[in-house]
Amino acid sequence: SQTIHQWPATLVQPVGSPLSLECTVEGTSNPNLYWYRQAAGRGLQLLFYSIGIGQISSEVPQNLSASRPQDRQFILSSKKLLLSDSGFYLCAWSVSRDAGFTQYFGPGTRLTVL
Amino acid sequence: RKEVEQDPGPFNVPEGATVAFNCTYSNSASQSFFWYRQDCRKEPKLLMSVYSSGNEDGRFTAQLNRASQYISLLIRDSKLSDSATYLCAVTRRFSGSARQLTFGSGTQLTVLP
Repeated sequence: SQTIHQWPATLVQPVGSPLSLECTVEGTSNPNLYWYRQAAGRGLQLLFYSIGIGQISSEVPQNLSASRPQDRQFILSSKKLLLSDSGFYLCAWSVSRDAGFTQYFGPGTRLTVL
Repeated sequence: RKEVEQDPGPFNVPEGATVAFNCTYSNSASQSFFWYRQDCRKEPKLLMSVYSSGNEDGRFTAQLNRASQYISLLIRDSKLSDSATYLCAVTRRFSGSARQLTFGSGTQLTVLP
């Protein structure tokens, strides 16, 4: 069965510090991968998606970046965090097939920028 | 206009009640539809897909109305454990056959004893 891991689970960082969040998927190959952010009391905002190694598309321009160094690894980074970067960061994976499409989320990383 | 819109609630209902949520979408090319459940401070979890003919899973019934571009979720015999935020989601294509989901902002449900 497929599983998705994210770490760390929680993170408190000062403004201006760098960020690296990691997501890995097990039990599937060539998944589509996504990074979402959910600000407190808000909906899910798609940040990045990837359909393959090294292929990253950005939905919202900001000071975050994403990379996909391996098929089942997706990394979210920032060189300098802003207060507005606080939120719940969720990685998700999906496999699109003609028969259907389903997307599953990892447990998330709760980031507080102080 | 948002691509996917939901009534944010909150919906406060007594145990045993029937509650219904609606979700409208603006892109007529949307192909797949889903309901997710999100507990407080947890990740969204897939509750059910929504099929054109409507589908049922126990106490939960999902309906799709393509002509009016909305989906609905009906929960019968509400339980305390149904308290959560319910997110609707619709797909759109972004690369070849690959698709992505657009989420509504969620409807908060509290089932009261």
